[in-house]
Amino acid sequence: DQQVKQNSPSLSVQEGRISILNCDYTNSMFDYFLWYKKYPAEGPTFLISISSIKDKNEDGRFTVFLNKSAKHLSLHIVPSQPGDSAVYFCAARGSNDYKLSFGAGTTVTVRA
Amino acid sequence: NAGVTQTPKFQVLKTGQSMTLQCAQDMNHEYMSWYRQDPGMGLRLIHYSVGAGITDQGEVPNGYNVSRSTTEDFPLRLLSAAPSQTSVYFCASSYSGNRAGEKLFFGSGTQLSVL
Repeated sequence: DQQVKQNSPSLSVQEGRISILNCDYTNSMFDYFLWYKKYPAEGPTFLISISSIKDKNEDGRFTVFLNKSAKHLSLHIVPSQPGDSAVYFCAARGSNDYKLSFGAGTTVTVRA
Repeated sequence: NAGVTQTPKFQVLKTGQSMTLQCAQDMNHEYMSWYRQDPGMGLRLIHYSVGAGITDQGEVPNGYNVSRSTTEDFPLRLLSAAPSQTSVYFCASSYSGNRAGEKLFFGSGTQLSVL
């Protein structure tokens, strides 16, 4: 049973607009959350993270929001660029836990 | 700085054959792990290691063996390959594996097909 769920397999957005990717989790012990980006034929690369003591973390065009009561987090990309076309994975783990759990991924396509 | 190196990049096996997927990192990371990626399932943890001589099971360990004799290397062994093991395999490492603020560094993957 997947503890991290990304219910939207794909997202298409026009260049310059906002991309919003959603992620839900079921394990209340999770307190550290990460987003990874993956291009075809490459390994995932770290994008941004947030700990449970925060509700927002921003890094350039990327912002992650965390709603602990709803067990929900989202990644906003503003503005979206063609190079953002990739698969995005949400991941989570608990404090002192060695096991990072991943969602199924959302494929983002940015249209010119 | 090579980071995490996986070999081979592609492999085709017949059912019942054995093979070892190699993973090496040059960042002096204590923590190493193996994931498999399947459509609709995301990345699932197979095995992990928190240091030389220490390994533990992840979410989907059946059919796989690991060992960690050095800090740098963490090979994944398939003793008797099955079609259900057709997947893309990723090796990943980090400094300790469980500290707040840590991130995993991934290799480029091994695409394995079992016929």
